[in-house]
Amino acid sequence: GAGVSQTPSNKVTEKGKYVELRCDPISGHTALYWYRQSLGQGPEFLIYFQGTGAADDSGLPNDRFFAVRPEGSVSTLKIQRTERGDSAVYLCASSLSGLGGELFFGEGSRLTVL
Amino acid sequence: GENVEQHPSTLSVQEGDSAVIKCTYSDSASNYFPWYKQELGKRPQLIIDIRSNVGEKKDQRIAVTLNKTAKHFSLHITETQPEDSAVYFCAATPPSYNQGGKLIFGQGTELSVKP
Repeated sequence: GAGVSQTPSNKVTEKGKYVELRCDPISGHTALYWYRQSLGQGPEFLIYFQGTGAADDSGLPNDRFFAVRPEGSVSTLKIQRTERGDSAVYLCASSLSGLGGELFFGEGSRLTVL
Repeated sequence: GENVEQHPSTLSVQEGDSAVIKCTYSDSASNYFPWYKQELGKRPQLIIDIRSNVGEKKDQRIAVTLNKTAKHFSLHITETQPEDSAVYFCAATPPSYNQGGKLIFGQGTELSVKP
């Protein structure tokens, strides 16, 4: 596609439920990033993929968060046992090589945990 | 790890005036400093960037300056227009390969340009 695509755009769930957020990066981009943005804050780094492997997952807040990119393209961010504090916009971004340069962001998935 | 501080958090200017947003970073090894603009409910989009081997870069009404010694960089917008109203984020990235191009963002500046 022409840009980074994220689904769903909005997700409302109940505390304790499991959630999956999907990211489809720009075709040919080997690097993929997940960020979390809370209201009034800058994007906060979660995890970076180079190809299929998670090269840096130092931003994942705890073991309830997990992400995969099995074929080096689409990525899924998985959140188990959701908590109200997980409510935020989850942004996905991709870049051509992961060696620095412009990140292209998706529109984000807004997660609300009731 | 890298830490980026940004100020002011809000900035209001009259149309036609200049706007300046400042950021400081902590990791002296950081070598790439982009600025992103985010309109309400939209995705962040790159507006200008600078690398550590350059002190200043300009693109029409937008310029960025970098002071490596002081570890700070600034965004300058001249002749502001109402469509410049948005939240602006600075960011920095250290050069480690295993961190790829991951960005550490500042807290954002909400710019309001009044007609």
